[in-house]
Amino acid sequence: QKEVEQNSGPLSVPEGAIASLNCTYSDRGSQSFFWYRQYSGKSPELIMSIYSNGDKEDGRFTAQLNKASQYVSLLIRDSQPSDSATYLCAVEKSSGDKLTFGTGTRLAVRP
Amino acid sequence: DVKVTQSSRYLVKRTGEKVFLECVQDMDHENMFWYRQDPGLGLRLIYFSYDVKMKEKGDIPEGYSVSREKKERFSLILESASTNQTSMYLCASSYRDGTEAFFGQGTRLTVV
Repeated sequence: QKEVEQNSGPLSVPEGAIASLNCTYSDRGSQSFFWYRQYSGKSPELIMSIYSNGDKEDGRFTAQLNKASQYVSLLIRDSQPSDSATYLCAVEKSSGDKLTFGTGTRLAVRP
Repeated sequence: DVKVTQSSRYLVKRTGEKVFLECVQDMDHENMFWYRQDPGLGLRLIYFSYDVKMKEKGDIPEGYSVSREKKERFSLILESASTNQTSMYLCASSYRDGTEAFFGQGTRLTVV
């Protein structure tokens, strides 16, 4: 089992719709969770971080964490064509440990 | 703003050459990382460092070494470049454990 798993996609949504991206992780001791966006040919940039169970909202983005079920998700409301990118889920297992990335989900927003 | 700068954007090297990739961060971050990114495989950790002169192996350290003589600089060394090391190399840094990592612009290395 991979440490961090994501559906590779592509996930295709129409402009204005909600895009839902999911990520599961294997280590129950994981403490820190991050979502990164990566445009083609560019380096990853941080969108959201989440550390506690529940929802965390920032503009059109909402991160959701459920440690009991070992999943973290990212919702993008009012999706725009500029949101088309690969979204990477990253998990830090415990203090002093490495940051592990999923392989990413490619999102395509249709105008 | 955090700035992580990698020395080269594109690099072409010959098989067997010793290759140095340099990374500098300007925000006094404790942790620095080297990843490589390949299609279908995602970001894989090569080495990381949580302090000057300290280093830890990541998932794929074979064929690589690192150096961190100063807090702001983390170097990745390919001792004898091979074609299977052709990849995008990404450096990142974070303030401390549990905080977000910031990435450099990446170095696309081609070994011929």
